[in-house]
Amino acid sequence: KAGVTQTPRYLIKTRGQQVTLSCSPISGHRSVSWYQQTPGQGLQFLFEYFSETQRNKGNFPGRFSGRQFSNSRSEMNVSTLELGDSALYLCASSPGTGGRNEQFFGPGTRLTVL
Amino acid sequence: DAKTTQPPSMDCAEGRAANLPCNHSTISGNEYVYWYRQIHSQGPQYIIHGLKNNETNEMASLIITEDRKSSTLILPHATLRDTAVYYCIVRVGGRGSTLGRLYFGRGTQLTVWP
Repeated sequence: KAGVTQTPRYLIKTRGQQVTLSCSPISGHRSVSWYQQTPGQGLQFLFEYFSETQRNKGNFPGRFSGRQFSNSRSEMNVSTLELGDSALYLCASSPGTGGRNEQFFGPGTRLTVL
Repeated sequence: DAKTTQPPSMDCAEGRAANLPCNHSTISGNEYVYWYRQIHSQGPQYIIHGLKNNETNEMASLIITEDRKSSTLILPHATLRDTAVYYCIVRVGGRGSTLGRLYFGRGTQLTVWP
């Protein structure tokens, strides 16, 4: 089975712009979660989608949003970019929600905000 | 979710067993113990998880104490490629649970030396 894929792998934006990142989960997986990783804060949970519905949300401002499509692919959007949004954005897919389902991570999208 | 405590760093000689400890003294009955590792700037890699019983797979073994307040990840024959940050995470389980997020701490930097 192919793993989790994320596009693009690298992105450079300027402050005030908006960005959309894409994630394709492992075939058959219905849950997609997003995480942000920065040197200062480590890995932090953004949100989780299952069956096109947001099931769980982390403590991030409303500039961060996401959605999931009927084929389980997911996108996340960040509007009005700030310098502090520079980070590695990771997507993880899982067969379902809940603790007994392991999450498999993609390679991430490295976002740099200038 | 329960918090975990891990040593910030450990080292191990190549070919020897690496034993990585984790304390999760406030773990609840329905919380799973997960281990992930992350090699520099790559997506975290799932290693193993368990609820009560010890678990083994092709990568590692997970030993959970009877009171479930701590666990140990064992890499039986460490190689240079096992050098990574190892994260111990507890995660709520339960059928239909929506609390699937992973709370990553700072993890343990394992260095395997020749």
